[in-house]
Amino acid sequence: EPEVTQTPSHQVTQMGQEVILRCVPISNHLYFYWYRQILGQKVEFLVSFYNNEISEKSEIFDDQFSVERPDGSNFTLKIRSTKLEDSAMYFCASRGAGQGNTEAFFGQGTRLTVV
Amino acid sequence: TQLLEQSPQFLSIQEGENLTVYCNSSSVFSSLQWYRQEPGEGPVLLVTVVTGGEVKKLKRLTFQFGDARKDSSLHITAAQTGDTGLYLCAGQDTGRRALTFGSGTRLQVQP
Repeated sequence: EPEVTQTPSHQVTQMGQEVILRCVPISNHLYFYWYRQILGQKVEFLVSFYNNEISEKSEIFDDQFSVERPDGSNFTLKIRSTKLEDSAMYFCASRGAGQGNTEAFFGQGTRLTVV
Repeated sequence: TQLLEQSPQFLSIQEGENLTVYCNSSSVFSSLQWYRQEPGEGPVLLVTVVTGGEVKKLKRLTFQFGDARKDSSLHITAAQTGDTGLYLCAGQDTGRRALTFGSGTRLQVQP
């Protein structure tokens, strides 16, 4: 069964360092998302991406964040200068095209720990 | 800002009991999805409801979307220990593709 895959599963980084989280969405999907979940809190939307551009972003997604689809398969989230409060699980999700296609499928997540 | 409130936050029951989890909002959603999340893993989609009043069944799980598409419920019949987990509802607004998540209901089914 097709699935969204994320790497790495766990990343530890020093405050101020750049990190890149990687995702391979389901192959025929066209909408891609990043969400995050701080420990013990709800899943929060960061950004959506369609047709090679950001279609929507939340207040969390400030200038320190960027997304890219460098090739036909990968979808990446970059955090330029990590802060302690960026520590969270980061989930990638993808969705198919079409008005009736409402289901988003999530990856297993990357646990980011900023020390 | 759309909000989804889930209740109860925590639920501990004995195997074999029935339970209902609620997901409520003051906003209308074009669709609502229920996920289950295990510790350290991503949300796994259980069901999507789209039409007001819609009822969907997945084995012992029954999902209902409110007539006004502002609320939803998940009913589990004869709970099993394998049902233990975090249940999340997530709504999609007509004008947005992103999901708004509820805070979740953590279910513990005791043997």
